[in-house]
Amino acid sequence: EVQMVESGGGLVKPGGSLRLSCAASGFTFSNAWMNWVRQAPGKGLEWVGRIKSKPVGGTTDYAAPVKGRFTISRDDSKNTVYLQMNSLKIEDTAVYYCSTGGFFFDYWGQGTLVTVSS
Amino acid sequence: QSALTQPASVSGSPGQSITISCTGTSSDVGGYNYVSWYQQHPGKAPKFMIYDVSNRPSGVSDRFSGSKSGNTASLTISGLQAEDEADYYCVSYTSSTTLVFGGGTKLTVL
Repeated sequence: EVQMVESGGGLVKPGGSLRLSCAASGFTFSNAWMNWVRQAPGKGLEWVGRIKSKPVGGTTDYAAPVKGRFTISRDDSKNTVYLQMNSLKIEDTAVYYCSTGGFFFDYWGQGTLVTVSS
Repeated sequence: QSALTQPASVSGSPGQSITISCTGTSSDVGGYNYVSWYQQHPGKAPKFMIYDVSNRPSGVSDRFSGSKSGNTASLTISGLQAEDEADYYCVSYTSSTTLVFGGGTKLTVL
């Protein structure tokens, strides 16, 4: 059974940093492209970014609102993908989901809440 | 990259069919057959419903179908059931090698 468990969310002040983790199981993680998707309270879903599998380069892509502030990385030995968030803004407040997939999102975690507030 | 355009809400009675549109541009929806759809119930993670415009993942009811014409993709739900009441989102790959969501559509089953 595919499982993904996000962790690391919490309350952080504007300008601060936070690192989210997503531990995956039930599939060959090293071959999977991994995404982060977020949802602000009462709002729609927003793609944050993606990291490809290492066999195809392990490169990353980001949505414009987070480019230059957020970094996605992966540790295939731990079946874990990370989202390093720097220079956080109030508008980054959201539930952050990790998901598998290249051009679509087939499996999702349960999400972790990040609140940016002074 | 602007969000894809979806109607804010649609509604239908049990047993009826409804269609949700998702309009983009030639740089996303119109340029690639990488449109997918997701169902989200309140407080839950999204569920994968359609990929590559019209393909259903294993386990998804055949009451759900997808299509595309030009820059607009569509999700059709036939034989509407109470449990279909949820938010629905489309996603497309883009020419910038990113992915973009639609704004979401709230489906109400009357």
